[in-house]
Amino acid sequence: SAVISQKPSRDICQRGTSLTIQCQVDSQVTMMFWYRQQPGQSLTLIATANQGSEATYESGFVIDKFPISRPNLTFSTLTVSNMSPEDSSIYLCSVAVPPSNTGELFFGEGSRLTVL
Amino acid sequence: KNQVEQSPQSLIILEGKNCTLQCNYTVSPFSNLRWYKQDTGRGPVSLTIMTFSENTKSNGRYTATLDADTKQSSLHITASQLSDSASYICVVQPSGGSYIPTFGRGTSLIVHP
Repeated sequence: SAVISQKPSRDICQRGTSLTIQCQVDSQVTMMFWYRQQPGQSLTLIATANQGSEATYESGFVIDKFPISRPNLTFSTLTVSNMSPEDSSIYLCSVAVPPSNTGELFFGEGSRLTVL
Repeated sequence: KNQVEQSPQSLIILEGKNCTLQCNYTVSPFSNLRWYKQDTGRGPVSLTIMTFSENTKSNGRYTATLDADTKQSSLHITASQLSDSASYICVVQPSGGSYIPTFGRGTSLIVHP
């Protein structure tokens, strides 16, 4: 299993500002992901955070808007840049326990962002 | 396009009653299907995981079934409790090397005393 600590748990931000979300895992993991969960919607994968290299972004998400860092196998950050009200959402950090293509996904508690 | 459809979208039941949530998917071939429970303001937590060869999996009062031929799964909750109030999400993991699962939108369950 994996225990994931995510912060902040929630924040209210002004339009045009940026916010960085941190994700700390209690063990070394290879696969770490960032998801967005908009109200009433399913979880949408933003990107896979790769240790030591640039993140792999899904269609519709770009590095300039959602820069991601992954300095080691237990930590990652997601920045939501130049926020607008449409970015109001829950952002979730997730890790896959090997084997990554069949194993269980563990999630952090989420960061609920409200952009005014 | 891989899709996971869940029904009903929301459900209200009385404490002590049973209920069944449905999940239909188009992901093929798939590696496994999972049901997650997401309490309000919390991250999803895994309830059950089934491979394509499994028909049923239980976790306490939660029983998941899988029919890989019809691409349907259900989650049955027995003797519901107030703490069962949550969103239940069906997640299908494709096989063939992709590690990106497909999530359903979830069923919001409210259990009233």
